[in-house]
Amino acid sequence: DQQVKQNSPSLSVQEGRISILNCDYTNSMFDYFLWYKKYPAEGPTFLISISSIKDKNEDGRFTVFLNKSAKHLSLHIVPSQPGDSAVYFCAASKLTSGTYKYIFGTGTRLKVLA
Amino acid sequence: EADIYQTPRYLVIGTGKKITLECSQTMGHDKMYWYQQDPGMELHLIHYSYGVNSTEKGDLSSESTVSRIRTEHFPLTLESARPSHTSQYLCASSELGGRTTNEKLFFGSGTQLSVL
Repeated sequence: DQQVKQNSPSLSVQEGRISILNCDYTNSMFDYFLWYKKYPAEGPTFLISISSIKDKNEDGRFTVFLNKSAKHLSLHIVPSQPGDSAVYFCAASKLTSGTYKYIFGTGTRLKVLA
Repeated sequence: EADIYQTPRYLVIGTGKKITLECSQTMGHDKMYWYQQDPGMELHLIHYSYGVNSTEKGDLSSESTVSRIRTEHFPLTLESARPSHTSQYLCASSELGGRTTNEKLFFGSGTQLSVL
């Protein structure tokens, strides 16, 4: 039973336009959400995060929106650049047996076309 | 920037061999993790550690074992590799050890393991 879902395996966007990556979750106990970026044959690198007490967090070209009622979060990249081409994972954390655990989605491969 | 290192980056090995994947971090983090990821799939937690001499199994069952003799070192061992073990193995650490929210995982570059 997948608790964090990224239903779009891939996305192509023209350079300079907005990229929107979506993530849905099923467990209302999640209280912290993260986005990671991963290049082939490398480990994921942290991009941006949001706490469940907020509905928006912004860092430069990256903005994450959280809609708790819909159990949905999205990552907006504006403007998109060719270097943004990578796989993006969303992750959610919840308290389990006294410690926070992270549940990852399956990733969305973003391709930014020059 | 994260200072967490994994070796080797790539490993191709025959069935039945014993292998150890190395992971070291210089950030003094107490909590360390091993994730396994196949292409197009989510990252699955297979092992974690709260600190020295602490190891726990993760959500995904794995035939691998881990040890934590030193804070900075968290190696993963497969006693007898099989083709089903072919995957990418990612090591990570966290500063606050999962005791609070609003923290993040720092990942190493991963080891791509291929068992023939």
